[in-house]
Amino acid sequence: ELKVEQNPLFLSMQEGKNYTIYCNYSTTSDRLYWYRQDPGKSLESLFVLLSNGAVKQEGRLMASLDTKARLSTLHITAAVHDLSATYFCVPDVGAQKLVFGQGTRLTINP
Amino acid sequence: DVKVTQSSRYLVKRTGEKVFLECVQDMDHENMFWYRQDPGLGLRLIYFSYDVKMKEKGDIPEGYSVSREKKERFSLILESASTNQTSMYLCASSFLGIGDGELFFGEGSRLTVL
Repeated sequence: ELKVEQNPLFLSMQEGKNYTIYCNYSTTSDRLYWYRQDPGKSLESLFVLLSNGAVKQEGRLMASLDTKARLSTLHITAAVHDLSATYFCVPDVGAQKLVFGQGTRLTINP
Repeated sequence: DVKVTQSSRYLVKRTGEKVFLECVQDMDHENMFWYRQDPGLGLRLIYFSYDVKMKEKGDIPEGYSVSREKKERFSLILESASTNQTSMYLCASSFLGIGDGELFFGEGSRLTVL
């Protein structure tokens, strides 16, 4: 059974700071997704990482994937309040099944 | 834009009632999914379907059934609702085949069972 561990689960940081969220998963997966969820809202896709070494950037967020280490990271650069949300790391184990981590609740304070 | 529409945003039902949650997508996606989301547990897959009239159990199918009579519509059924089924239910769809498998989610249905 695939297990997904995000670290940290809760993160409170100040605007302007940098931080990284880590996602470890327990079995082979060649693709991985990051989703964002705002309070009371549904999930929206942020990044799709399709191979080992993939790196994607959108604004202040950058995601990377190391399939050999079974590790993905989501790096936040110069955080702003609008990035406050819960972020989910989601490895794809095939057979059209995605396994969600617990999510990292990020709060960015002025 | 892909649109996944869930029929009800908020429902309140009584224990033992039958509950239907409906989901419609407009992008001709083959795959459709039902998840439930609970605090501290993330999203857990209840059922998914990769074709009309096809269904596969997810990780927590007990107490639920599904129906997919048309490609665009996927229904989740609680035959006899119980209080431990109080949760947020999320429907999603994705393209089957060559592509990145990205899920598109509906707005969610928050069910309270009294």
